[in-house]
Amino acid sequence: SYELTQPLSVSVALGQTARITCGEDNIGTKNVHWYQQRPGQSPILVISRDSGRPSGIPERFSGSNSGNMATLTISSAQAGDEADYYCQVWDSSTVVFGGGTKLTVL
Amino acid sequence: EVQLVESGGGLAQPGGSLRLSCAASGFTFSTYNMNWVRQAPGKGLEWVSYINTRSNVIYYADSVKGRFTVSRDNAKNSLYLQMNSLRAEDTAVYYCARDRLQLDYFDYWGQGTLVTVSS
Repeated sequence: SYELTQPLSVSVALGQTARITCGEDNIGTKNVHWYQQRPGQSPILVISRDSGRPSGIPERFSGSNSGNMATLTISSAQAGDEADYYCQVWDSSTVVFGGGTKLTVL
Repeated sequence: EVQLVESGGGLAQPGGSLRLSCAASGFTFSTYNMNWVRQAPGKGLEWVSYINTRSNVIYYADSVKGRFTVSRDNAKNSLYLQMNSLRAEDTAVYYCARDRLQLDYFDYWGQGTLVTVSS
């Protein structure tokens, strides 16, 4: 079965760049989407189709996808970016989510 | 404004049933595919089911196949999830989520409804 591997946690200093990865064989052939979930809230879409940024999402959020790894990059990380982040793909008529990464802004 | 409002959650006994609803507003519900996603306490997101606009393409996660049934009523702008033979591991917050196109990303999510399966 298709599984997306994310680091359990990532820490970043305030104002620095955070990178959260999502790995699986040939993930570069799929559309990868990223969601942010703050504590007690519903997920929101932050990156669509590898690198698209929905309306209202700051330019600090960007995405890339190639080979066996997709990456969510958050530049100039802010305290408000502390959250869980999930990658997601469709595979063989099922949706697969990564296990989630907790981002801590120090 | 797009809104998705889930309801129907609560406490159910193992082996019991619950029916969740998701009321949609602020968009033309009949033109969007829909999904159910759940999240067990302290855990990550788990996709549950997909239904297309006409209800003729339906997918389920292996973990719920044969026990859960997704449906929709476009006239009532509503999405449903009938959950039977509930197990403790079905305990989770259940979200409905709109699919942007077909087998695409989820651009809007509801606030979720909590289902607790316990004796």
